[in-house]
Amino acid sequence: QVQLVQSGAEVKKPGASVKVSCKASGYTFTGYFIHWLRQAPGQGLEWMGWINPISGVTNYAQKFQGWVTMTTDTSISTAYMELRRLRSADTALYYCARERYLNGMDVWGPGATVTVSS
Amino acid sequence: QSVLTQPPSVSGAPGQRVTISCTGSSSNIGAGYNVHWYQQLPGTAPKLLIYGNSNRPSGVPDRFSGSKSGTSASLAITGLQAEDEADYYCQSYDSSLSGSVVFGGGTKLTVL
Repeated sequence: QVQLVQSGAEVKKPGASVKVSCKASGYTFTGYFIHWLRQAPGQGLEWMGWINPISGVTNYAQKFQGWVTMTTDTSISTAYMELRRLRSADTALYYCARERYLNGMDVWGPGATVTVSS
Repeated sequence: QSVLTQPPSVSGAPGQRVTISCTGSSSNIGAGYNVHWYQQLPGTAPKLLIYGNSNRPSGVPDRFSGSKSGTSASLAITGLQAEDEADYYCQSYDSSLSGSVVFGGGTKLTVL
């Protein structure tokens, strides 16, 4: 079946970086954009950006420009999101989701918890 | 501060009809971009509920419907059921942000 499987929970110190993976299966990976979003505890959804797996073109939310890097490895149908210079405010559940043709994010990963604590 | 504005909470009794509004501007909903709605049950990832303003993905009950007019959109839920208690988010795109994705702040639906 179509699914996105994300990497496990991470605990990082302030100032460190984290790289979260999102492995796709059950569909043609290059046929859909991959979005990254996050949700802080008790808060709403925050969009971080998208990547087009076939071209590697990215579109980051203004807040995350210079701070996040999204990449893909099409040989293993996996997308990655790296966030640098972590602060406690980056503690959140990080989701990947796919979308095609501005038709909404129809498949979501389960989320990966990132905790930033000294 | 979210680009799209939703009421923080709505409530209704089982069997009733509730609506959730999503207000944007001329650079997002008013610019003709699609509006999508997501349902997030407690402890789970969001699920696409309505796409392209008013379309339901396979498996979504027809109790859920979406509409769009001008710079706003609405999600309606009829025949409210206990399992509908969740957070609901609207989402669109914004031309002033290079076509970036924008979300509403979310609405908590309580079934009384």
